[in-house]
Amino acid sequence: DSGVTQTPKHLITATGQRVTLRCSPRSGDLSVYWYQQSLDQGLQFLIQYYNGEERAKGNILERFSAQQFPDLHSELNLSSLELGDSALYFCASSVDGDRHNEQFFGPGTRLTVL
Amino acid sequence: AQKITQTQPGMFVQEKEAVTLDCTYDTSDPSYGLFWYKQPSSGEMIFLIYQGSYDQQNATEGRYSLNFQKARKSANLVISASQLGDSAMYFCAMREGGGSNYKLTFGKGTLLTVNP
Repeated sequence: DSGVTQTPKHLITATGQRVTLRCSPRSGDLSVYWYQQSLDQGLQFLIQYYNGEERAKGNILERFSAQQFPDLHSELNLSSLELGDSALYFCASSVDGDRHNEQFFGPGTRLTVL
Repeated sequence: AQKITQTQPGMFVQEKEAVTLDCTYDTSDPSYGLFWYKQPSSGEMIFLIYQGSYDQQNATEGRYSLNFQKARKSANLVISASQLGDSAMYFCAMREGGGSNYKLTFGKGTLLTVNP
């Protein structure tokens, strides 16, 4: 158990819908990262937040947005869902400050868009 | 160009033998970090080992060691005394540069199967 929690574990929805994925980082970790893992794209970095502020953006679609709240939990919002958005979405956290710190991954949320 | 290349889509090893999973990387940044993660069929990502670009010695963590050859830009994972539970996908990843950007770039992974 990495200490990072993600809910829900599974999500099945229809095209055009909007969903919210939730992540709670390990206690003490200030950075939260979101990654998408799909068969065709592999594991791709989406976005990073540090202590409530956006720090880095990767291959995140405009239909997707995220935020980190004062209690450090984070939410990833996916809207106008398409079939191609079906993937495993990971949240990871790290202490930050020390660039060598590894990122600890949550169990992931498997999103299926029908 | 791919930043992380894992050339072995699949590998087989006999239980109790050692296996090497290849990883090459591409960066012009002098400061970077290399990571290996394991992803069992259950899906979670498990951190295994880390090597910093300035580290003088190869990293080791239990049965895992990292064969870091900086000039060749390779960071191969060596698993000694393979166990059935080592069967999983293995991902090599890199964190580049400094500042506040700590994102990881992953390779496509190697599926390791340990045979009894």
